[in-house]
Amino acid sequence: DSGVTQTPKHLITATGQRVTLRCSPRSGDLSVYWYQQSLDQGLQFLIQYYNGEERAKGNILERFSAQQFPDLHSELNLSSLELGDSALYFCASQSTGGSAFFGQGTRLTVV
Amino acid sequence: AQSVTQPDIHITVSEGASLELRCNYSYGATPYLFWYVQSPGQGLQLLLKYFSGDTLVQGIKGFEAEFKRSQSSFNLRKPSVHWSDAAEYFCAVVPPQTDKLIFGTGTRLQVFP
Repeated sequence: DSGVTQTPKHLITATGQRVTLRCSPRSGDLSVYWYQQSLDQGLQFLIQYYNGEERAKGNILERFSAQQFPDLHSELNLSSLELGDSALYFCASQSTGGSAFFGQGTRLTVV
Repeated sequence: AQSVTQPDIHITVSEGASLELRCNYSYGATPYLFWYVQSPGQGLQLLLKYFSGDTLVQGIKGFEAEFKRSQSSFNLRKPSVHWSDAAEYFCAVVPPQTDKLIFGTGTRLQVFP
């Protein structure tokens, strides 16, 4: 158990819809990363938050957004969903200068 | 271009054989280096990391990795592979002066009895 919790584990939704994925980092970790893993794109870095503020941005679509709340949990919002957004979405948390620990992921299926 | 490369997409070994998974990086300075393992349907688990110091790093599950500055490499090794090591292995870097954790494309390891 990495100590990082992601909910839900599975999500099935229709094209055009909006979903929210949630991540609770390890106790004390200030940094949260979001990744998308698909068969054709591999593990893609989406965005990083540190103590509530956006720290780094990767290949995140404009239809996607994220935030980190005062209690340090983070949410990834995916809107106007397309079939190609079907993927595993991972959250990782990191202590300052330390290693990143991953949650079990949310498997999103867009139908 | 700055990148992290895993040249081998798929490797097959016999149980008990030795293993080496390759990882190369291309950055101006040495990044932080990591190896992660992902079992089917699971999240990623940290095997080991290198920040500085001793270039031979010991990790969990009997894995080790050696940082070679001259070759810009951080190869993962295990002397004797077990069937339970079958998984996907990812090399990752935090490039200098960034906080991004960037992954290679992964190497899928298959272990035959």
